[in-house]
Formats: sequence, structure tokens, C-alpha cells
Amino acid sequence: GAVVSQHPSWVICKSGTSVKIECRSLDFQATTMFWYRQFPKQSLMLMATSNEGSKATYEQGVEKDKFLINHASLTLSTLTVTSAHPEDSSFYICSARGQDGNTIYFGEGSWLTVV
Amino acid sequence: DAKTTQPPSMDCAEGRAANLPCNHSTISGNEYVYWYRQIHSQGPQYIIHGLKNNETNEMASLIITEDRKSSTLILPHATLRDTAVYYCIVILSGGYNKLIFGAGTRLAVHP
Repeated sequence: GAVVSQHPSWVICKSGTSVKIECRSLDFQATTMFWYRQFPKQSLMLMATSNEGSKATYEQGVEKDKFLINHASLTLSTLTVTSAHPEDSSFYICSARGQDGNTIYFGEGSWLTVV
Repeated sequence: DAKTTQPPSMDCAEGRAANLPCNHSTISGNEYVYWYRQIHSQGPQYIIHGLKNNETNEMASLIITEDRKSSTLILPHATLRDTAVYYCIVILSGGYNKLIFGAGTRLAVHP
């Protein structure tokens, strides 16, 4: 199957700073990528849909100025958590639609801890 | 997208078949049934998907009822490594359709 890779796997940052998480499709081109957040013992919550070359579409209640998404190429989407606070600590997961158009593949996830 | 209902948890003995049910009574004719699983602290893993015919791959089998209102994911010989949360999701295939996760079924495989 297709491979989606995230980097970093985990990151610790100080409150008030910004942190960037990368999502790459390694062996296929992805015009559409998705970003999720997951708190402990909860299900995945969709944050936004990232489309190559255009602005991301955010789900209701997600602050687009706080969670900046850039999808500059067909293999890379980035999520930047700006002015991070401890409540932003979470497991962030990206996914990408495969070239068959039918299957969505997920990255390994990135743990963010804001101290 | 149609809503799905899954039992919150299930147990299975190692080596036995695990049968995970999913109800999707409001599914429309062009919506697919997808199954993913999430092992603790990892990203979800694609398992299988189908429209109306039964499907089988190296991981599992998907049985969809004739009226398409429910389906069952079958892991033929469960191992301890199959312990995970299993998600049944119904969506239109392709385009910009997005996966919305419910609570899923927490499957515990025990020795």
C-alpha cells in the first residue's frame, strides 16, 4: 500500500512558540491530504482538508489562524501550530488520498507536548 | 454520509475468528463501507472496503448484507497483534470526501 510519513514523531515545545509538523506521501502524489487531532482515549477528530495549490478547508470550530496548513506540493502538506498552549498538546495525524482515488492512507502520527 | 453503529468493545481468543459488526441502515446506493483500525499510539491502518459484494484481502474479509444495511469485518485467525480499535466508516468514494471517525470497537485479543 501507499506510504504516508510524518515528521517529527514527537515534539516538545514551550508555550507561546510555534511548531511545524510535516506530512509526506512517499510513493504517490496526493492532491488531497487531511489533518486530524486525537486526545487520549478519544476518537480522531478531523481538523481540515488540505488541497494542493489552494487554501485548506477547516472543520467547524477549528481556528484557521492557529492551525496553519500549507500544501505546496503534491507530496507535502504541513501543519503549523502557532502560539502553542498546553491545551494544544495532542496526537496529530495526517492522511492522504491514494492515486486510485478510493483509499485514504494515514501517517504514523506526531505527538505534540506543549510545556 | 451515513452514520454507523458499532459495539464499543469485543473480546476474542487468539487463533479464533473475530467478527466485528457494523450497522449502517441509512447507507445510500453509492456509498462504500470502509474499515480501518488503530493500534495504540499509531496512525489508523486501512484494512478493507467494499460497495455491495463481499471482499477479501490478506488482512480480512468484509461481508455486506444484501440490503447493505449492515456489514461484518472478519479477522479469520486473530492474533494478539490484532488488538486495536476498529472503525467502520461509510463514505462516497473519491473526490474530496473525508473520513469521519466514530467511536469504533475496541477489540481485545487474549491468549
